[in-house]
Amino acid sequence: DTAVSQTPKYLVTQMGNDKSIKCEQNLGHDTMYWYKQDSKKFLKIMFSYNNKELIINETVPNRFSPKSPDKAHLNLHINSLELGDSAVYFCASSQDPREDKYFGAGTRLSVL
Amino acid sequence: SQQGEEDPQALSIQEGENATMNCSYKTSINNLQWYRQNSGRGLVHLILIRSNEREKHSGRLRVTLDTSKKSSSLLITASRAADTASYFCATESGGSYIPTFGRGTSLIVHP
Repeated sequence: DTAVSQTPKYLVTQMGNDKSIKCEQNLGHDTMYWYKQDSKKFLKIMFSYNNKELIINETVPNRFSPKSPDKAHLNLHINSLELGDSAVYFCASSQDPREDKYFGAGTRLSVL
Repeated sequence: SQQGEEDPQALSIQEGENATMNCSYKTSINNLQWYRQNSGRGLVHLILIRSNEREKHSGRLRVTLDTSKKSSSLLITASRAADTASYFCATESGGSYIPTFGRGTSLIVHP
């Protein structure tokens, strides 16, 4: 009964490939997020969705495209993967932007 | 831009000792939060302290906030080996309520 679940947990792929990371939350929250954590553990917001609508889009390359088919899901699709995309990607959710954030366990992406 | 900066970057102590981690930030905030991240896991929310609060407690955790110095501290009393993790502070400013994280303090508690 994991609250925020991400799949896959690990993803190793070649440069130039297209990959997707899925996120699902069963908390009934309206807001979902994607964060990127680099090798120095610096965690940075990428996107935020509220009720399936994009509300935050930080300076992320347009190779990254979030997709929210419904309130419980926010998937992250990445085109033409680059070495610098290697990081741990965290999905999170909250009831609304002012409430506590609940994080998934992360997806470790390694681009070779 | 990065908001919170934790200090120290790494801390190694013996079980039973207290651990203190500090966080400094640059601009006015709505609230400040502390999170824990165990190795290979997601972040777990520990405590939220609002800008009009000075101190909060939760079990063995004590958080202080000094808005005049733009700093916060997290104290873990009577540490346990299970407290070994990275601890992050995150601040929320303005109307976005998107937490901006520091780079974290890596805490190792030796049994």
